[in-house]
Amino acid sequence: EVQLVESGGGLVQPGGSLRLSCEVSGFTFSRYWMSWVRQAPGKGLEWVANIKQDGSEKYHVDSVKGRFTISRDNAKNSLYLQMNSLRAEDTAVYYCARVNWGYHVFDIWGQGTMVTVSS
Amino acid sequence: QSALTQPASVSGSPGQSITISCTGTSSDVGGYNYVSWYQQHPGKVPKFMIYDVSKRPSGVSNRFSGSKSGITASLTISGLQAEDEADYYCCSYAGNSTFVFGGGTKLTVL
Repeated sequence: EVQLVESGGGLVQPGGSLRLSCEVSGFTFSRYWMSWVRQAPGKGLEWVANIKQDGSEKYHVDSVKGRFTISRDNAKNSLYLQMNSLRAEDTAVYYCARVNWGYHVFDIWGQGTMVTVSS
Repeated sequence: QSALTQPASVSGSPGQSITISCTGTSSDVGGYNYVSWYQQHPGKVPKFMIYDVSKRPSGVSNRFSGSKSGITASLTISGLQAEDEADYYCCSYAGNSTFVFGGGTKLTVL
């Protein structure tokens, strides 16, 4: 069974840091690009970051550049998002998702982990 | 990297057809035939319904169809059913391995 399980969310103060993890099973993780997509409460989806199979290419949305970093560990079948200098507007459910370049879609999603930035 | 523009809400009666528009720029929707559509029911994970503008993955009803003209893509749902009530998001490839989503449209089946 294909599974993406996020963890690491929680309540953090503005300016703080958090590291999200996504553990993958059921497919060969090292063969796929992976992404983080977030959804603020009651709001729409926002693509956050992509990473290539071997981690050699990483892309981030402008609003998180310099603050967030996507990374992966293929030996551990895991995807990460290091979030620094967090702001209230980063409050959202963060989903990890598999990128299917053959279809140009996010074809498999985790259940998400909630990040709340508040004092 | 501005969000694609979608209407906030649309509605239709069972059996009717509705169309949701998604307007971008020449750097995303207009520049690539890589527009996808996602359906999200409340409290659920998004599910892709259309890819590459107009293609349907296996298992998605042929009541769902997509198209594109210039910088505007569209999702049409024909023969509306109660189960179609959900939020719908368009998404476009925006070059350099990046993506951009639309703001989302809430579909209400009357």
